Amino acid sequence: GENVEQHPSTLSVQEGDSAVIKCTYSDSASNYFPWYKQELGKGPQLIIDIRSNVGEKKDQRIAVTLNKTAKHFSLHITETQPEDSAVYFCAAKGVATDSWGKLQFGAGTQVVVTP
Amino acid sequence: NAGVTQTPKFQVLKTGQSMTLQCAQDMNHNSMYWYRQDPGMGLRLIYYSASEGTTDKGEVPNGYNVSRLNKREFSLRLESAAPSQTSVYFCASYRTSGNTGELFFGEGSRLTVL
Repeated sequence: GENVEQHPSTLSVQEGDSAVIKCTYSDSASNYFPWYKQELGKGPQLIIDIRSNVGEKKDQRIAVTLNKTAKHFSLHITETQPEDSAVYFCAAKGVATDSWGKLQFGAGTQVVVTP
Repeated sequence: NAGVTQTPKFQVLKTGQSMTLQCAQDMNHNSMYWYRQDPGMGLRLIYYSASEGTTDKGEVPNGYNVSRLNKREFSLRLESAAPSQTSVYFCASYRTSGNTGELFFGEGSRLTVL
């Protein structure tokens, strides 16, 4: 089955700097890669996603890039703000998976933005 | 707009006790899911229900049972709790939008098994 590895496990950045989180996946047939943000005491919330037929997607200060050849994808947050402090999870869905909500998640990255 | 509601939010059990985690969604979604979250392991799928009347195993189903009571409600039962089931449990429903969609998670149920 699919295996997703996520790095780093913790990331400290100064406010205004950029943050990058990287994930690798094992199933070359995976076709959907969402990113979820989890604030303290809350459930994860989708912030951006990308499908395998797209190389990059942006939404304001966040962007995701996908390299299918290397089987890795990354989350980029620019001009970080204190409210970006949270745990971020990458995930992947295999093409053979029958349900779109059946995702393989990475272990998570704790992002801390210091003023 | 409640979204996905889970009860209870906190529970402490002794080994061997049973309990049911309740989940309800008010967004009219067909698919619902139970995930568990453990430190350093991300979220792992326990069971899911693609539609009312169907349930299927996920990655870590042992020790759990589920019931899709109706379109709104999807419960998770621990028949004989074990310390390894200490975790935070998240229920989610899936909204399809064109050729993509989104998982909506509840706020979680933190379970401790002593």
